[in-house]
Amino acid sequence: QVQLVESGGGVVQPGGSLRLSCAASGFTFNAFGMHWVRQAPGKGLEWVAVLWFDETNTWYTDSVKGRFTISRDNSRNTVSLQMNSLRVEDSAVYYCASTPPNWNYHYWGQGTLVTVSS
Amino acid sequence: VMNQSPLSLPVALGQPASISCRPSQSLVYRDGNTYLSWIQQRPGQSPRRLIYKVSDRDSGVPDRFIGSGSGTDFTLKISRVEAEDVGVYYCMQGSYWPYTFGQGTKLEIK
Repeated sequence: QVQLVESGGGVVQPGGSLRLSCAASGFTFNAFGMHWVRQAPGKGLEWVAVLWFDETNTWYTDSVKGRFTISRDNSRNTVSLQMNSLRVEDSAVYYCASTPPNWNYHYWGQGTLVTVSS
Repeated sequence: VMNQSPLSLPVALGQPASISCRPSQSLVYRDGNTYLSWIQQRPGQSPRRLIYKVSDRDSGVPDRFIGSGSGTDFTLKISRVEAEDVGVYYCMQGSYWPYTFGQGTKLEIK
């Protein structure tokens, strides 16, 4: 049974930092690319960051470049998103997702809520 | 840009439904595949993929969900809408970064 379990969300002031984690199980973690996708309250989905299975490619959406860092630990089957210099507009539910290179599977976590507010 | 329409879709139970997705450029990747997917998000739930590579159904997805299209014109059809189909549907492209979603189509029962 595939599981992606996010943690680390919470309330933070503008300019602050948070580190999100996603624990994966039930699939061959080191063969899957790992993604973070976010959804602001009442809004649509937005891709935030991707890290390929072999770590040869890392991509970020423009609005988070230089502030967010995605990383993975294949020995622990976890992926993280370090978020610095947080802004009010970063407030969202953050979902962890995974896909192999051929996109034949696509798994999602339940999400973790990040609220940036003074 | 992924242009999705309609944004709101009221449908009677048992009737068909159709959602259009028109990307602003070709989604054919260098390997020849078109990484166009359809995502369902039921109220209060995480997203779930239904269709990938234009027309392949994910495991466990009912066969009433049908994906089709090519080039810059793609469609998700639901042959007979059921109550459990209520939610928001997104098209999504994974061919080129930044991966992008359509605006979402809210399906409701009329």
